[in-house]
Amino acid sequence: AQSVTQLDSQVPVFEEAPVELRCNYSSSVSVYLFWYVQYPNQGLQLLLKYLSGSTLVKGINGFEAEFNKSQTSFHLRKPSVHISDTAEYFCAVSGESGYSTLTFGKGTMLLVSP
Amino acid sequence: GAGVSQSPRYKVTKRGQDVTLRCDPISSHATLYWYQQALGQGPEFLTYFNYEAQPDKSGLPSDRFSAERPEGSISTLTIQRTEQRDSAMYRCASSFAQGNEQFFGPGTRLTVL
Repeated sequence: AQSVTQLDSQVPVFEEAPVELRCNYSSSVSVYLFWYVQYPNQGLQLLLKYLSGSTLVKGINGFEAEFNKSQTSFHLRKPSVHISDTAEYFCAVSGESGYSTLTFGKGTMLLVSP
Repeated sequence: GAGVSQSPRYKVTKRGQDVTLRCDPISSHATLYWYQQALGQGPEFLTYFNYEAQPDKSGLPSDRFSAERPEGSISTLTIQRTEQRDSAMYRCASSFAQGNEQFFGPGTRLTVL
């Protein structure tokens, strides 16, 4: 069984400040890791994913995440946030074998203020 | 279509009524997923289809929940005898094939009074 923990339900930050959204996972098998973003009244949109290879993954809108196998973490970072980054962010994991149903964390609401 | 669409976007129903939610995936996509997202939680897997086949429905919370995709395109999720605990956002996603990136629809917000 897999699980994902997003410890922070809300992260308030000022515009142009750096931000890190934390994600830890547990799994007995190798996994694929994902970050999704949900803007108001829209569906979930894929930000970035780790499948294999380089542990530093770059995604859309200037976000990046680093896969750390020893710490079972996949934290999301952005060096300078914009007001438009205000949204809910979900970390998710899927197993490498079989189909790719996703196990999601509870989400982190990023609140960017001027 | 250009993206995944779901209808209705909002549904309010009374306890005990049946509801049917619809998902129209991206036209070239073989695989379709249903997720349930309770308030304050992340989405949880319900079931998925490869074309019209439904290999896994282990996530369906009870036998009141059923899903179909009879022609391998549009899918419906039906909840019979709704209960207040069924209130949630129901999300549909599709992918070109099993294991590929999932594209999500806007969801259907179900409220059971």
